[in-house]
Amino acid sequence: DTEVTQTPKHLVMGMTNKKSLKCEQHMGHRAMYWYKQKAKKPPELMFVYSYEKLSINESVPSRFSPECPNSSLLNLHLHALQPEDSALYLCASGGGSYNEQFFGPGTRLTVL
Amino acid sequence: GDSVTQMEGPVTLSEEAFLTINCTYTATGYPSLFWYVQYPGEGLQLLLKATKADDKGSNKGFEATYRKETTSFHLEKGSVQVSDSAVYFCALRKLISNFGNEKLTFGTGTRLTIIP
Repeated sequence: DTEVTQTPKHLVMGMTNKKSLKCEQHMGHRAMYWYKQKAKKPPELMFVYSYEKLSINESVPSRFSPECPNSSLLNLHLHALQPEDSALYLCASGGGSYNEQFFGPGTRLTVL
Repeated sequence: GDSVTQMEGPVTLSEEAFLTINCTYTATGYPSLFWYVQYPGEGLQLLLKATKADDKGSNKGFEATYRKETTSFHLEKGSVQVSDSAVYFCALRKLISNFGNEKLTFGTGTRLTIIP
């Protein structure tokens, strides 16, 4: 299985809502990543988990809260988002000296 | 800091034309270099990679050579197809630690459209 899956595919939420994005991989990768991609822009790194511990936080606002329950799962909890947070949120796994990062299809988030 | 400069788009070509998308980078150390492709409404797919100078990555008719002397990693294809229409991202990777922590730095992306 060389796939990274993400749910939901689309999400619409209000600024007072709490929601979560989910990411799953079964490739045995020990590093997982969250990226944010605005329209017509490249992905921007948000968080890196390595061996289920948060290793990189790219100064992301606290309204985004990542969680890694186990080595296969990565969540992104969302609370009190702003309309400018609307974007495609991509999850990836893998990396390291000999492997590339594998990306999921993304969750397209719209904040109203 | 590290950066990737990519050819501005959009690029429109006729089917069977020759493709070049330029990519240059600025980085300390010895980064790995990648080309990713993003089809409409999808995530990124790795197209090819090179991990050291003079390496040539190739896949699906696309090629790119890691040129340390010119800090470049230009993407080429001899004969493009309509199905190659997508956004192409050049990226460099720096390892942060021994545990696989790494950062990908992407170029701005080049939108390619192939017309029949």
